[in-house]
Amino acid sequence: EIVMTQSPAALSVSPGERATLSCRASQSVSSNLAWYQQKPGQAPRLLIYGASTRATGIPARFSGSGSGTEFTLTISSLQSEDFAVYYCLQYNNLFQWTFGQGTKVEIK
Amino acid sequence: EVQLVESGGALVQPGGSLRLSCAASGFTFSNYAMNWVRQAPGKGLEWVSGVTNSGGVTYYADSVKGRFTISRDNSKNTLYLQMNSLRAEDTAVYYCANAQRLSVWGKGTTVTVSS
Repeated sequence: EIVMTQSPAALSVSPGERATLSCRASQSVSSNLAWYQQKPGQAPRLLIYGASTRATGIPARFSGSGSGTEFTLTISSLQSEDFAVYYCLQYNNLFQWTFGQGTKVEIK
Repeated sequence: EVQLVESGGALVQPGGSLRLSCAASGFTFSNYAMNWVRQAPGKGLEWVSGVTNSGGVTYYADSVKGRFTISRDNSKNTLYLQMNSLRAEDTAVYYCANAQRLSVWGKGTTVTVSS
């Protein structure tokens, strides 16, 4: 099983500042890596797939990078609506998805 | 509109059974593999089970193998999860998700296992 490790577990950021979230895979997942945003009481919302492609309707302040085992989600200028939990997902195998444990982005 | 709607969640006693359903619309259901994902209260996301587009091959997380059964009825555009021998640790919100269109998730249905 591929283990996904996200860091940090929590991040305190002021509105307008940049946030950088990391995700590491225990073995290569190529570019089969997605990022989701989840707010309380809501289903996860896809932000990035293919490690770096923004999903439909996702603002340009969200960007993804990386391949293989090291991945990064960057939010260039945090808006109030961006405070949430972010998960990475590897889908190298369609039927053995594994998620990172999440990074909570909090208001500083 | 592309949509997945889960139903069937409930409060059930330990050792009990429950069947979840996921109704799909707005896309050709029979073309896509599907997954179930769950989220325990205050915890992260956990993949539970998956099925190929035809329903011919199924996959399970070790935590549910032998207790849960995934199936689908492509004529009804519906995905199922039969859950037997339920345990307290199965308490979670259960989401169905399109395995190949990563943006397509349902809103979830809540399963609570408690006496």
